[in-house]
Amino acid sequence: RKEVEQDPGPFNVPEGATVAFNCTYSNSASQSFFWYRQDCRKEPKLLMSVYSSGNEDGRFTAQLNRASQYISLLIRDSKLSDSATYLCVVNLLGGSARQLTFGSGTQLTVLP
Amino acid sequence: GAGVSQSPSNKVTEKGKDVELRCDPISGHTALYWYRQSLGQGLEFLIYFQGNSAPDKSGLPSDRFSAERTGGSVSTLTIQRTQQEDSAVYLCASSVREPIYGYTFGSGTRLTVV
Repeated sequence: RKEVEQDPGPFNVPEGATVAFNCTYSNSASQSFFWYRQDCRKEPKLLMSVYSSGNEDGRFTAQLNRASQYISLLIRDSKLSDSATYLCVVNLLGGSARQLTFGSGTQLTVLP
Repeated sequence: GAGVSQSPSNKVTEKGKDVELRCDPISGHTALYWYRQSLGQGLEFLIYFQGNSAPDKSGLPSDRFSAERTGGSVSTLTIQRTQQEDSAVYLCASSVREPIYGYTFGSGTRLTVV
């Protein structure tokens, strides 16, 4: 089993659609969770942290379910500019975190 | 600088040659990481530096790979006797201390071994 597992997609959705990505992680002691965005041939960039109570940033909502070791990202009213690969990122070592482990990413294409 | 700086941005080398990749982290960031990303693949952790502590080298794939960080700032990743399977984008990231707020990545070095 992969340590951080994501559906690779691709997800092809029309502009304005709502799309959700899921991610599972293997270590129940993990403490820090993030979603990163990676555009084609570019470096990953932090999209948002994921907090235990869930959090929202504009059209983006992140949820964490510790019991199921599951993270989600919801994008509402999707824009063409949302097309990218979305990486689920977890501190698998827990506690004071020495490194982050990246999922392989979910590819999103928003179509006009 | 304002961001993590990596050089060169692209490197083409012949199989068997040595290469050096450079990373200049954000000023004041004590933690520095090297990852690599092969075409269509996820990020693979290579090595981690934190301040003056001994680096975590657990991700280095073979003894041909080594890295150092001088003066707690600039880091160099060295690959000796390069092989075709070393072809990848090598990404450097830094964080303030531990990555509870996530990392900031450089734009990477695209290494091609021919």
